[in-house]
Amino acid sequence: GAGVSQTPSNKVTEKGKYVELRCDPISGHTALYWYRQSLGQGPEFLIYFQGTGAADDSGLPNDRFFAVRPEGSVSTLKIQRTERGDSAVYLCASSLTQRLNSPLHFGNGTRLTVT
Amino acid sequence: KNEVEQSPQNLTAQEGEFITINCSYSVGISALHWLQQHPGGGIVSLFMLSSGKKKHGRLIATINIQEKHSSLHITASHPRDSAVYICAVRSPGAQKLVFGQGTRLTINP
Repeated sequence: GAGVSQTPSNKVTEKGKYVELRCDPISGHTALYWYRQSLGQGPEFLIYFQGTGAADDSGLPNDRFFAVRPEGSVSTLKIQRTERGDSAVYLCASSLTQRLNSPLHFGNGTRLTVT
Repeated sequence: KNEVEQSPQNLTAQEGEFITINCSYSVGISALHWLQQHPGGGIVSLFMLSSGKKKHGRLIATINIQEKHSSLHITASHPRDSAVYICAVRSPGAQKLVFGQGTRLTINP
């Protein structure tokens, strides 16, 4: 079956532009997570959705970052006025429930490069 | 100091060697994850532990809650085991994972 799908796989944009990154979780998965991974580092938490609502957005670095999940499935991470420091791999993960023992499935990520 | 520290950062070994990767954490946890990341970014969950030991094929993961330490072992290592191995913890009541910086493992034939 299909795993977590992220599009695009690569995105190059100019400083100051707006970008949208998309995540299609596994069908039926209620929990969805966004993480950001800089080169040579482990992923860092950005935001967690349970259903349609952002249950924890404490990892969003500033108000240029915003994410939505309007129908409780697909999620979009939006970055305004991109900066070179936003360059990273943006990872999405989903799990069937928010329960501790619910396996976590990761997408392959979107590599964002801001020039 | 990071909440999750892994050692070593890089490890190169010969095929067949026994591999140990360590993870120490400084916070209370409800679960610890070991994940594997191949070039290109895809992350695969290997284990989730809250106590004791788990084994899957040639991989073994252990955790000592009192010492706040976990190890990932690979027996009879193979070049296809070459990847970045990442430890991540979840705090009680939280959903997010806090990740270590990863250990880059290279197994030479």
